[in-house]
Amino acid sequence: EDQVTQSPEALRLQEGESSSLNCSYTVSGLRGLFWYRQDPGKGPEFLFTLYSAGEEKEKERLKATLTKKESFLHITAPKPEDSATYLCAVQAIAAGNKLTFGGGTRVLVKP
Amino acid sequence: EAQVTQNPRYLITVTGKKLTVTCSQNMNHEYMSWYRQDPGLGLRQIYYSMNVEVTDKGDVPEGYKVSRKEKRNFPLILESPSPNQTSLYFCASSVGGGYGYTFGSGTRLTVV
Repeated sequence: EDQVTQSPEALRLQEGESSSLNCSYTVSGLRGLFWYRQDPGKGPEFLFTLYSAGEEKEKERLKATLTKKESFLHITAPKPEDSATYLCAVQAIAAGNKLTFGGGTRVLVKP
Repeated sequence: EAQVTQNPRYLITVTGKKLTVTCSQNMNHEYMSWYRQDPGLGLRQIYYSMNVEVTDKGDVPEGYKVSRKEKRNFPLILESPSPNQTSLYFCASSVGGGYGYTFGSGTRLTVV
């Protein structure tokens, strides 16, 4: 069974204080690993897809990396508007179009 | 604007009263999916569809039905809602496997 575990559950940062979020996964044949951002009361917003170990993707202050067992989302010099819940999900090759989500990391960036 | 539209945004209903949550996407996506989000349990897939007239069960399909008669629409049907179906529901669509999903804004359902 595919599993995704995210840590920490919550993260409080000062504006400008860089940090990393972890997503550990087990999957029988990875098709893709996805990162989403979710604001309270809204639907998840797609950020990145990573397909193979060693791959990296960047968007503004966010950078996602992937190994064979985990992915990291690095937030560099965060701003208050980066406050959100960040969700990680995996899609297995044999799982149709199903995404298995982790529990998320709630990030609060204080000015 | 490319989007997934769900209706209604909020719904309070009584046990046993059939309801339908509508979902429509304007991106010509093949794949569509329904998820529910509960505190401590995260997002879990209810049903998915890989094309018109092709649907399959996700992780938590009990008590739900879906249909995909047109490519753009994927309604979620609760024939006899129960309180344990109180949740936040999301519809999502994707161009295909391995691509990111676009999610709707959510439907907060309360069954009393």
